[in-house]
Amino acid sequence: DGGITQSPKYLFRKEGQNVTLSCEQNLNHDAMYWYRQDPGQGLRLIYYSQIVNDFQKGDIAEGYSVSREKKESFPLTVTSAQKNPTAFYLCASSIEDTQYFGPGTRLTVL
Amino acid sequence: DAKTTQPNSMESNEEEPVHLPCNHSTISGTDYIHWYRQLPSQGPEYVIHGLTSNVNNRMASLAIAEDRKSSTLILHRATLRDAAVYYCILQNTGNQFYFGTGTSLTVIP
Repeated sequence: DGGITQSPKYLFRKEGQNVTLSCEQNLNHDAMYWYRQDPGQGLRLIYYSQIVNDFQKGDIAEGYSVSREKKESFPLTVTSAQKNPTAFYLCASSIEDTQYFGPGTRLTVL
Repeated sequence: DAKTTQPNSMESNEEEPVHLPCNHSTISGTDYIHWYRQLPSQGPEYVIHGLTSNVNNRMASLAIAEDRKSSTLILHRATLRDAAVYYCILQNTGNQFYFGTGTSLTVIP
């Protein structure tokens, strides 16, 4: 089955710790995206990557970092510099004009 | 500034048509209009998209105004499984997708 996987589904961290969220796709898509969603809100773009070894900041990149060493993988690190990291994080990949989303990771910082 | 504006919520009776409006008055000539829907605690799901002409697929229809400053997603017969948050989104030539705050659709049995 082709698709996008995100792990873990739920993640808890102490304040001040960095945490890395996983996103893997086997759809052979070039473009991948990270979004953040807060309760009752739409999705906001954190980072996106159009091709391996290249990525651009989205609207809310501060306090986050990414890498794109492989086509299949686009991990997101939430650093201690992110002031309000508790949120639902969604990864997506796209081909042509359609985005395909993973199931999301709900991060709670205690 | 929000790129798309949608009503916060709408209701529909089961098996009746639903028209979900979206305003995007600052759309550029090359932006695509997309609609996705999202169930609680899940990732959004593609519904339909278009550029200038009206579009139909098995899930829905998309009606785009002649000046492209607004569009309407049409669900022809709402079912309980259509209850979700519907997002109207603009995609630019850089492949960035701009989500609005969405419309929460309630389907009444």
